[in-house]
Amino acid sequence: DIQMTQSPSSLSASIGDRVTITCQASQDISHFLNWYQQKPGKAPKLLIYDASNLETGVPSRFSGSGSGTDFTFTISSLQPEDIATYYCQQYDNLPITFGQGTRLEIK
Amino acid sequence: QLQLQESGPGLVKPSETLSLTCTVSGGSISNTSYFWDWIRQPPGKGLEWIGTIYYSGSTYCNPSLKSRVTISVDSSKNQFSLKLSSVTAADTAVYYCSRRTFGVVSWLDPWGQGTLVTVSS
Repeated sequence: DIQMTQSPSSLSASIGDRVTITCQASQDISHFLNWYQQKPGKAPKLLIYDASNLETGVPSRFSGSGSGTDFTFTISSLQPEDIATYYCQQYDNLPITFGQGTRLEIK
Repeated sequence: QLQLQESGPGLVKPSETLSLTCTVSGGSISNTSYFWDWIRQPPGKGLEWIGTIYYSGSTYCNPSLKSRVTISVDSSKNQFSLKLSSVTAADTAVYYCSRRTFGVVSWLDPWGQGTLVTVSS
């Protein structure tokens, strides 16, 4: 299985801050990576697909980049509604695997 | 707009079989552009992908669970189902169903709201 390692596991930031989360794959997965946002008690929501493509309707302050084994997810200016846990997910090989999640809190 | 809804018992006894159904509305489960997946999330923990089924009935299950998992599809009812046998407390989780695109680029969207299954006597 491909292991996905996210860092940090938790993050505290202020409104308006630039926030960056990284995801590292245990082997080359090209661009086959997605990012999801999960709010408490809710199902995950797709934000970024294919490493860098913004899902329709998702605010442009969210972005993704990277390829191979190293990927980055960025919120350019943190908003109160962005408080959630974020997961990366690879689909290069089955089984699909997720990162352990990054919990984002307001400072 | 496609919607998915999980249903099934919220409480299962240890060693028994967990059975869940996902009902798809607003679209056909026989659409050749999609797979249909199950994912679970233990309380307070991360996401674990369980397995997938195509409308034809072809399946792939996570090797970590493979011997205990059965995924099936009923196109006439626009539903797909999950059975997990010999459950233990470690199988307590919120279980989600989702649609996954078929192609080089693939993602899980939308998701059902999830259903909590507790394994306890």
